[in-house]
Amino acid sequence: DTEVTQTPKHLVMGMTNKKSLKCEQHMGHRAMYWYKQKAKKPPELMFVYSYEKLSINESVPSRFSPECPNSSLLNLHLHALQPEDSALYLCASSPHGDVRDYGYTFGSGTRLTVV
Amino acid sequence: GDSVTQMEGPVTLSEEAFLTINCTYTATGYPSLFWYVQYPGEGLQLLLKATKADDKGSNKGFEATYRKETTSFHLEKGSVQVSDSAVYFCALFSGGYNKLIFGAGTRLAVHP
Repeated sequence: DTEVTQTPKHLVMGMTNKKSLKCEQHMGHRAMYWYKQKAKKPPELMFVYSYEKLSINESVPSRFSPECPNSSLLNLHLHALQPEDSALYLCASSPHGDVRDYGYTFGSGTRLTVV
Repeated sequence: GDSVTQMEGPVTLSEEAFLTINCTYTATGYPSLFWYVQYPGEGLQLLLKATKADDKGSNKGFEATYRKETTSFHLEKGSVQVSDSAVYFCALFSGGYNKLIFGAGTRLAVHP
């Protein structure tokens, strides 16, 4: 299995809703990432997990809450989002310590619309 | 800090034309360099990579050579197809927190 699977593919949520994005990989990668991508822009790093522990939080608002329950699964919990949070949310993984040789493997993303 | 600069798009070409997308970088040390491609509505896919100076990455007819002297990693393809229409991102990794640094992306549109 060489894929990163993200669900759902599309999500529409109201500003008072709570929802979660899910990311799964079975490649044995021990580093996982959340990125946010606005239209016609490059991906922006949000969070990095290394061995299931949060190692980077790029000053992301607390309405985004990441969770890494095990080495294969990464969640992003969403609460009280704003319309400007509408974007494509990408999950990625990499072999820990081997980004130099392998780069990241990305999922297809969740297209989030906040109404 | 480390950074990647890509030529601005969009790049519009006719089918079978030659493609060059410029990428230059600034980094301390000796980074690895990558090209990712993003098709409409999809995530990013690794297209090719190079881990040291003078390495040439290649895949699906695309090539890029790691030029330390000019700090460049330009993407080339001899004959583009309509199916190559996508956004191309140059990226570097220079160590520390497993963090990839992306350029702004270059949109390529290929017409029949």
